[in-house]
Amino acid sequence: DQQVKQNSPSLSVQEGRISILNCDYTNSMFDYFLWYKKYPAEGPTFLISISSIKDKNEDGRFTVFLNKSAKHLSLHIVPSQPGDSAVYFCAASDPWAGNTPLVFGKGTRLSVIA
Amino acid sequence: DAGVIQSPRHEVTEMGQEVTLRCKPISGHNSLFWYRQTMMRGLELLIYFNNNVPIDDSGMPEDRFSAKMPNASFSTLKIQPSEPRDSAVYFCASSLGQGGYNEQFFGPGTRLTVL
Repeated sequence: DQQVKQNSPSLSVQEGRISILNCDYTNSMFDYFLWYKKYPAEGPTFLISISSIKDKNEDGRFTVFLNKSAKHLSLHIVPSQPGDSAVYFCAASDPWAGNTPLVFGKGTRLSVIA
Repeated sequence: DAGVIQSPRHEVTEMGQEVTLRCKPISGHNSLFWYRQTMMRGLELLIYFNNNVPIDDSGMPEDRFSAKMPNASFSTLKIQPSEPRDSAVYFCASSLGQGGYNEQFFGPGTRLTVL
């Protein structure tokens, strides 16, 4: 049973347009959500996060939106750039659960076409 | 400031051979995680340690897999005997804390190919 789901394995977007990556989760105890970005031959790196007390967090071109009632979050990249082409992993955690690490989705491969 | 260090970066071996992957976490971090990335299953958590103690190894696929953390600056993931289905990229990550609000820092990964 997958607690964090990224249903789109891949996404292609034109340079300059908006990229929207989606993530759904099933565990209502998840309280903190993160996005990681992974380039080929490198490990994932932290991109942006959001706590459940907020519904939006913005960092430059990257914005994460959280809809707790729908158990859904999304990452918006505006404007998209060719350097954004990577695999994006959604992750979630229950910070109050003690010995529980991050739970990752399977990832979405974003290709930004120049 | 060195990040998480993994070795080797690439490993090609034959079925039945023993494989040992190594990880040096970021100094001062007290949690260490081993992940496996495959196309089918994405990023799977295999095992994690807190203060050098294994906390949860339920993600370890079989008894052929074992992991140790003899001290705060070194961990190994061993596969014995290796099988072709073990081919994947294996990541080590460390964090200050076990999860929750603590960001995990990943190493560059070891790409394992079992022929």
